[in-house]
Amino acid sequence: DTEVTQTPKHLVMGMTNKKSLKCEQHMGHRAMYWYKQKAKKPPELMFVYSYEKLSINESVPSRFSPECPNSSLLNLHLHALQPEDSALYLCASSQDPLHGYTFGSGTRLTVV
Amino acid sequence: AQSVTQLDSQVPVFEEAPVELRCNYSSSVSVYLFWYVQYPNQGLQLLLKYLSGSTLVKGINGFEAEFNKSQTSFHLRKPSVHISDTAEYFCAVIGSAYDKVIFGPGTSLSVIP
Repeated sequence: DTEVTQTPKHLVMGMTNKKSLKCEQHMGHRAMYWYKQKAKKPPELMFVYSYEKLSINESVPSRFSPECPNSSLLNLHLHALQPEDSALYLCASSQDPLHGYTFGSGTRLTVV
Repeated sequence: AQSVTQLDSQVPVFEEAPVELRCNYSSSVSVYLFWYVQYPNQGLQLLLKYLSGSTLVKGINGFEAEFNKSQTSFHLRKPSVHISDTAEYFCAVIGSAYDKVIFGPGTSLSVIP
């Protein structure tokens, strides 16, 4: 299995809702990443987990809460989001950044 | 600090014509460079990477890139493009702590029939 699977593919949520994004990989990669991508822009790094521990938090607002339950799963919990948080959220994994990342196809999030 | 610049935000090219997408980098440590492609409504896919060795790197889908240390460049080329090459292309560099990839602003390649 050489894929990163993200669910759901699309999500519409209100500003008072709580939702979660899920990401799964079965390649044995040691690191997993969350990126946020606005239209016509490059991906922006949000969080990095290495060996299931949070190693990088790029000053992301607390309304985004990551979780890594095990080496194959990565969640992003969302609460009280703003309309400007609407974006494509990408998950990626790698054994080593020098080897390159494997990306999922993303979750298209719309906050209303 | 590591960074990459992609001077062309949009590149239109006719089908079967050659294309070059430009990337320049800035790095204070060893240079490791990548090109990723993002097709519409999809995630990113690694096209090719330069870690060391030969400065001409071949990737998937007929793309290649040349690392030029004196010009701090890593331009992506394809001798003959196809409609299916229409996508966003991101040049990227490894961060100074070797723990993450830093993406350039991207170049939108549009192949015209």
